Amino acid sequence: DGGITQSPKYLFRKEGQNVTLSCEQNLNHDAMYWYRQDPGQGLRLIYYSQIVNDFQKGDIAEGYSVSREKKESFPLTVTSAQKNPTAFYLCATTAGYQETQYFGPGTRLLVL
Amino acid sequence: KNEVEQSPQNLTAQEGEFITINCSYSVGISALHWLQQHPGGGIVSLFMLSSGKKKHGRLIATINIQEKHSSLHITASHPRDSAVYICAETMIKAAGNKLTFGGGTRVLVKP
Repeated sequence: DGGITQSPKYLFRKEGQNVTLSCEQNLNHDAMYWYRQDPGQGLRLIYYSQIVNDFQKGDIAEGYSVSREKKESFPLTVTSAQKNPTAFYLCATTAGYQETQYFGPGTRLLVL
Repeated sequence: KNEVEQSPQNLTAQEGEFITINCSYSVGISALHWLQQHPGGGIVSLFMLSSGKKKHGRLIATINIQEKHSSLHITASHPRDSAVYICAETMIKAAGNKLTFGGGTRVLVKP
């Protein structure tokens, strides 16, 4: 059953805490993306990776970090430096240039 | 930087009505995407097009490259079409195949 899984579905963060959002895919896609969605706003790109062991900053990378040690996995860490982390986070993949992007189910992050 | 504008922001229709959502962009693109976001948050890609017209079931997407404009049409709308529809574009030679997204159009189809 091919697809993208994100976990957890809901995540709560305390002040000053780092949290990591998981994104796993078995589509064998090279490129992976992390987006943030705030209510009433369009999706914004946080980080993307076109190949293992390489990633690039998107439009709103400050306060976030990523790694791409395996093709299947692209975890996103929301650090304590991200002062407004409450949002819906979506992971996506694509097979190549000008190919359709496939989205995971998302993780909703809330600050306690 | 390309701007992607959608209209309307919100749309309410009666079941069976024909629905049109518009998308305009400011610079040359290599592809235009239409996405559907369900109330639970999941996003599904509906169309990717760079010219002309595509049809899938009751959904039709068109693009006019000269006018930098695309439309998504829903024929014989049904309550299950209620969702947020998002337009996104890939700019020509964009690094990493990055998408730029519009703000979305929230569609409610009443029975």
